[in-house]
Amino acid sequence: NAGVTQTPKFQVLKTGQSMTLQCAQDMNHEYMSWYRQDPGMGLRLIHYSVGAGITDQGEVPNGYNVSRSTTEDFPLRLLSAAPSQTSVYFCASSYDTYSYEQYFGPGTRLTVT
Amino acid sequence: KQEVTQIPAALSVPEGENLVLNCSFTDSAIYNLQWFRQDPGKGLTSLLLIQSSQREQTSGRLNASLDKSSGRSTLYIAASQPGDSATYLCAVSPGNQFYFGTGTSLTVIP
Repeated sequence: NAGVTQTPKFQVLKTGQSMTLQCAQDMNHEYMSWYRQDPGMGLRLIHYSVGAGITDQGEVPNGYNVSRSTTEDFPLRLLSAAPSQTSVYFCASSYDTYSYEQYFGPGTRLTVT
Repeated sequence: KQEVTQIPAALSVPEGENLVLNCSFTDSAIYNLQWFRQDPGKGLTSLLLIQSSQREQTSGRLNASLDKSSGRSTLYIAASQPGDSATYLCAVSPGNQFYFGTGTSLTVIP
């Protein structure tokens, strides 16, 4: 049972480049989410999904795209990277947000130059 | 919008001391509150989940309480150890999202 996995661990992008951060879980969780963590700002929700085929925006969705074609995977796409997107990105999953705890991946540290 | 506050931002205590971390939230309409631990450069590890109908949860040396009506939760750590040094975050769920505080950075001095 690997839990929540994220790849890559580190990434450096140039402004304007695009990339996809991968997230996968093997716990059959319906709810998955992406956060970014910045110093002094705490964790902020980017996008979330309550099941395959269903996604919604969080607090800071601009510049990011998501899709959920399977229960296991929830990739986050940066469409045109900007220096303001330099951050640590965490993926999390749970059975739901009402009664169950969230489990987090190890994070991806992204630098945009 | 739900606002979650954790005070103090940083705390330093000698080993063996009992301590309390605080979390407050502005909207009491929540389903649950979760406490996490984050070590430097790592992801978040779940410590305790308290349902809105519960008043407290315990795990080992940790005890978390919830007073929904006043918008407060505390995390009590008994007999602190250097290995408890980390950042502790709380998060509340009013529905389909979790809202996080900015955390309390705890240092336990041997």
